[in-house]
Amino acid sequence: DAGVTQSPTHLIKTRGQQVTLRCSPKSGHDTVSWYQQALGQGPQFIFQYYEEEERQRGNFPDRFSGHQFPNYSSELNVNALLLGDSALYLCASSLGTPGSPLHFGNGTRLTVT
Amino acid sequence: AQKVTQAQTEISVVEKEDVTLDCVYETRDTTYYLFWYKQPPSGELVFLIRRNSFDEQNEISGRYSWNFQKSTSSFNFTITASQVVDSAVYFCALSEAGGYNKLIFGAGTRLAVHP
Repeated sequence: DAGVTQSPTHLIKTRGQQVTLRCSPKSGHDTVSWYQQALGQGPQFIFQYYEEEERQRGNFPDRFSGHQFPNYSSELNVNALLLGDSALYLCASSLGTPGSPLHFGNGTRLTVT
Repeated sequence: AQKVTQAQTEISVVEKEDVTLDCVYETRDTTYYLFWYKQPPSGELVFLIRRNSFDEQNEISGRYSWNFQKSTSSFNFTITASQVVDSAVYFCALSEAGGYNKLIFGAGTRLAVHP
């Protein structure tokens, strides 16, 4: 049973560029959330997708957008990259029931130069 | 407001020592969930345990044990007889019942276990 898979593992981009990160949820999970983890900090919630809609959003600018597909996989897009966007981006999947544990992927390490 | 505080930034122990990682949380909800995750150098966050706000029973799983005390808003994690493989960053997290499982994480505690 595959867990949460993310691609790519690493990315290097230049300021102003755009990036797309991809995530496949754990089998049976219908909810996908994205988190940003800066070096030495805890993960910060970006947004969550359920039934192909953004259900909840954290305190991130509109440059961060996403999508969920009918097979529950998801993409995170970041436009107009800033140096401060350099971080580990974690995708997590879960069931929709309250208190369901989130299962995380290995993350995508994004470096903006 | 929701908040999770892990006051210990780094802890260093020698193998076989017991170590306790502290977690204090803030929430106005009466129904909430608390979690511990382990993050090894590979980066993946590994789920360790979940407690709901109505269950204050302590839990033990092998060398791991958790102490949940609502009176002090704490959810501490103890590793007994630590091993080098326990070296990682450990995160405590909170989700509220109406929050669609959105996790609020603490800053994490880096545990280094030396042989």
